[in-house]
Amino acid sequence: GAGVSQSPRYKVTKRGQDVALRCDPISGHVSLYWYRQALGQGPEFLTYFNYEAQQDKSGLPNDRFSAERPEGSISTLTIQRTEQRDSAMYRCASSLARLAGDNEQFFGPGTRLTVL
Amino acid sequence: SQQGEEDPQALSIQEGENATMNCSYKTSINNLQWYRQNSGRGLVHLILIRSNEREKHSGRLRVTLDTSKKSSSLLITASRAADTASYFCATAKIQGAQKLVFGQGTRLTINP
Repeated sequence: GAGVSQSPRYKVTKRGQDVALRCDPISGHVSLYWYRQALGQGPEFLTYFNYEAQQDKSGLPNDRFSAERPEGSISTLTIQRTEQRDSAMYRCASSLARLAGDNEQFFGPGTRLTVL
Repeated sequence: SQQGEEDPQALSIQEGENATMNCSYKTSINNLQWYRQNSGRGLVHLILIRSNEREKHSGRLRVTLDTSKKSSSLLITASRAADTASYFCATAKIQGAQKLVFGQGTRLTINP
C-alpha cells in the first residue's frame, strides 16, 4: 500500500474484553512503532520493532499491553482485560531505516479505542 | 513522559502572516523533528534537523535548532488557511534515538 494502514479505525469494547489492533507498515520499512495519543496531547511512545525484534517496550503502561511483529511486517498491539483508562487513539508508524540519525516516521490514521 | 514543550499552546493569526512556534527540550538529542496534525487526521512529518545542524528550510518552513539552549523554532511564512493544524516537535535522544518523544503541540489557527 501507499501508506501505513491500521485496523480497525474505530473499536468500541466493554471493560474486561481483550482487543487486538493491527498495523500494516509501508512495504520495506524496517522499523515499526506504536504510540498512544490522548485528546489534546502529543503521541506517547509505547514500543517499537526493528524487523521482528522488539527493541524497546518501556512505554507499555503495564503487562496487559503486548505487541508482536512475528514476520517483520504486520504488527499487532493487544490489550487484555481493557479498562476505561485505555480509551485513546492508538497510532502506528514505520520508518525505512534504523539508523539513529535518519528516522523520519510515517504515521497511520490510528485506531480510536473506546472502552465502556 | 513528554520531553518537549511547545510554546505557545495556541496561536491564531491572519492569513498571509508568519507563524512562529517554539519547542524546548530537556536532554541531549540526536535529532529533532516537527510534525503536523490536521483535525481528525494522522500526523505528517514536516522536517528533521540533526543535532549538528542549526537551520533547515523546506518550502515555506524554516526550522532552527539551538542545542546550547535546548530549543527549536518552526517558522511558517505566508500562512494559508490549510496550515491550520496542530504542530508537534519530537526529539530523538542520543541513546535510543529511534524512540521519539513528542511535546504537547501548538494549535495553529489561520484566519481568512
